[in-house]
Amino acid sequence: RKEVEQDPGPFNVPEGATVAFNCTYSNSASQSFFWYRQDCRKEPKLLMSVYSSGNEDGRFTAQLNRASQYISLLIRDSKLSDSATYLCVVNRDDKIIFGKGTRLHILP
Amino acid sequence: AAGVIQSPRHLIKEKRETATLKCYPIPRHDTVYWYQQGPGQDPQFLISFYEKMQSDKGSIPDRFSAQQFSDYHSELNMSSLELGDSALYFCASSLVGLLREGSSGANVLTFGAGSRLTVL
Repeated sequence: RKEVEQDPGPFNVPEGATVAFNCTYSNSASQSFFWYRQDCRKEPKLLMSVYSSGNEDGRFTAQLNRASQYISLLIRDSKLSDSATYLCVVNRDDKIIFGKGTRLHILP
Repeated sequence: AAGVIQSPRHLIKEKRETATLKCYPIPRHDTVYWYQQGPGQDPQFLISFYEKMQSDKGSIPDRFSAQQFSDYHSELNMSSLELGDSALYFCASSLVGLLREGSSGANVLTFGAGSRLTVL
């Protein structure tokens, strides 16, 4: 079992819809959590850090549930430009561990 | 703002040849990571350096080696290239302190644009 797991998708979602995906991590010693976005053939870019209290950045909301060891990303009012792969990233003892990514396709 | 600079952006080599990739981290970042990403795969961690010393090793083949120099730039050397080495190679840099805090507003792990290696 991988240390960080995500549903690979693809999620095909109509424009304007709300979409959510989760990521689970197996090591309770994991310290910090991030969502990265990667477009095809481009480098991953930080979308947002994830805090226990939950955090929001515009249409994006991230949540961390330490008890159940998962993080989530919610995208509201999805845009065509949100189509990308979303990578769940976990830091444990300065090791950066990536999930396999969830592919999102926003449909016009 | 300065980003992570990688060179070359594209590289074509024959089997059994050698390739060297270079990475210039963001100034004052103390940690450099190398990742390999094959088509449709997530980034696979190869190796990292903290303050010019190797800090962690992942799935890096014995044919590959890397080092970080006094000016903090890093090089990934790949020898006896195989077809399966064709991939996108990313370098990323961070400040370990920011990584631990997950500080908002700070790009905790910044990637370069990658070097695409094609082995024929």
